[in-house]
Amino acid sequence: AQSVAQPEDQVNVAEGNPLTVKCTYSVSGNPYLFWYVQYPNRGLQFLLKYITGDNLVKGSYGFEAEFNKSQTSFHLKKPSALVSDSALYFCAVRGSQGNLIFGKGTKLSVKP
Amino acid sequence: DTGVSQNPRHKITKRGQNVTFRCDPISEHNRLYWYRQTLGQGPEFLTYFQNEAQLEKSRLLSDRFSAERPKGSFSTLEIQRTEQGDSAMYLCASSTPSGQVFISYNEQFFGPGTRLTVL
Repeated sequence: AQSVAQPEDQVNVAEGNPLTVKCTYSVSGNPYLFWYVQYPNRGLQFLLKYITGDNLVKGSYGFEAEFNKSQTSFHLKKPSALVSDSALYFCAVRGSQGNLIFGKGTKLSVKP
Repeated sequence: DTGVSQNPRHKITKRGQNVTFRCDPISEHNRLYWYRQTLGQGPEFLTYFQNEAQLEKSRLLSDRFSAERPKGSFSTLEIQRTEQGDSAMYLCASSTPSGQVFISYNEQFFGPGTRLTVL
C-alpha cells in the first residue's frame, strides 16, 4: 500500500536560514510525489510535484524538493526562509485511483 | 474567483441531524475528489467522480455518507444521522480539464473546506 511519513510534527527555523521539511514514502511502482501547503482557514495549495526526470524539483514561492530513490525520500527545501512561510506542510503520494495519500503534516514556524 | 469553492464554510449541527455540503469545482474539471481532515492529521480520501460517475469509495465512507455529482458539475456530500466522530474538515478538490486525458499525476486544486462540528 502507498504511504508517506513526515517524521517531524514541527520544524522551527530562523528567518533567512535554510529550511528542510522531511518526507519519506513507500510505494509499489513509480512514485508520483507532491507537496502542499495549508495556511489557516485556507485550502491546500499545490507547491510542487515529482513525476520523473531531474531529482531536484522546483516549485512555487521559492520551494524545491529533492527526490532520492535509494532513501525513498522527498524532502522539501528552501534556501532562505521567510516568516510568511510559516504554515502546515503536507507531503503526498498518488494513490491507485488518482487520489492523494497524505502524511500527517509538519508545522513550519519561521521566527524573525 | 475561478478556484474551487465550498459551502457552507462552517456547519454546526446536533447529533442525529442530516447535513449536506456543496462543492463547485474549477470550471470544466472532470475529476472531483472528497477528502476528510481531522485535527493533527492529513486529509484522507473519501470518494471521487469522473464527470458524473462516482468511481471509487473509501472504506471511510460509511453508508451514512452519500455523494452525488449531477451533470458532472457541482457535487454534494450528505451525511445522515451525524455522529460526533463525523466532526472534521471536509475538503473538495478537482483536477484534469475537460477534453484532456486523465493523467494520474495531475495536481489537484483544493477548496477552502467545510468545517463540521457535531454537538
